[in-house]
Amino acid sequence: EADIYQTPRYLVIGTGKKITLECSQTMGHDKMYWYQQDPGMELHLIHYSYGVNSTEKGDLSSESTVSRIRTEHFPLTLESARPSHTSQYLCASRGTGLNYGYTFGSGTRLTVV
Amino acid sequence: QQQVKQSPQSLIVQKGGIPIINCAYENTAFDYFPWYQQFPGKGPALLIAIRPDVSEKKEGRFTISFNKSAKQFSLHIMDSQPGDSATYFCAAALTSGTYKYIFGTGTRLKVLA
Repeated sequence: EADIYQTPRYLVIGTGKKITLECSQTMGHDKMYWYQQDPGMELHLIHYSYGVNSTEKGDLSSESTVSRIRTEHFPLTLESARPSHTSQYLCASRGTGLNYGYTFGSGTRLTVV
Repeated sequence: QQQVKQSPQSLIVQKGGIPIINCAYENTAFDYFPWYQQFPGKGPALLIAIRPDVSEKKEGRFTISFNKSAKQFSLHIMDSQPGDSATYFCAAALTSGTYKYIFGTGTRLKVLA
């Protein structure tokens, strides 16, 4: 049973639309991450957060923005979607202590037409 | 310094075979090396992980071998089954400080029945 939830699972949207991809976790994890995964498989970090009101850009430049107003919620927003944003977006979280593993959500597959 | 190189890109084995996936890293400060398994339409799931103070770790049919001097680690899947067909990612991380994974590029494994 996944403890990190992403909605929607699939989204097809027109160019220029504003979209928000939702990510919620029930584990109380402080650290949360957004990855972009292209069909070629590679995972690219686009945003991360170490707690409420903390957000940082990742290694891959992205036109998206994120917010972290509540511990459990880490939404990603695209103000104006473009076909180049077509990809899979994966959200992950990690707790504190010696458990260093990430828990990933099932992802949102976004298609911009 | 921050790259993790993974090979091969794809791998086909017969049922019962022992696929081996290799990763090499550059940053000697990395101290956590996980492997993730991803099925189509799902997010990656933590399979097994190792710290650099041990040379081998086994969990069921999955074994990580770690060579600190060579800065390499590998995943072995014993008695592979068709259900193991998935994409496998290695990663490396520093457990202190910013704690971000550096992922390998992934290996698509197919186990033939």
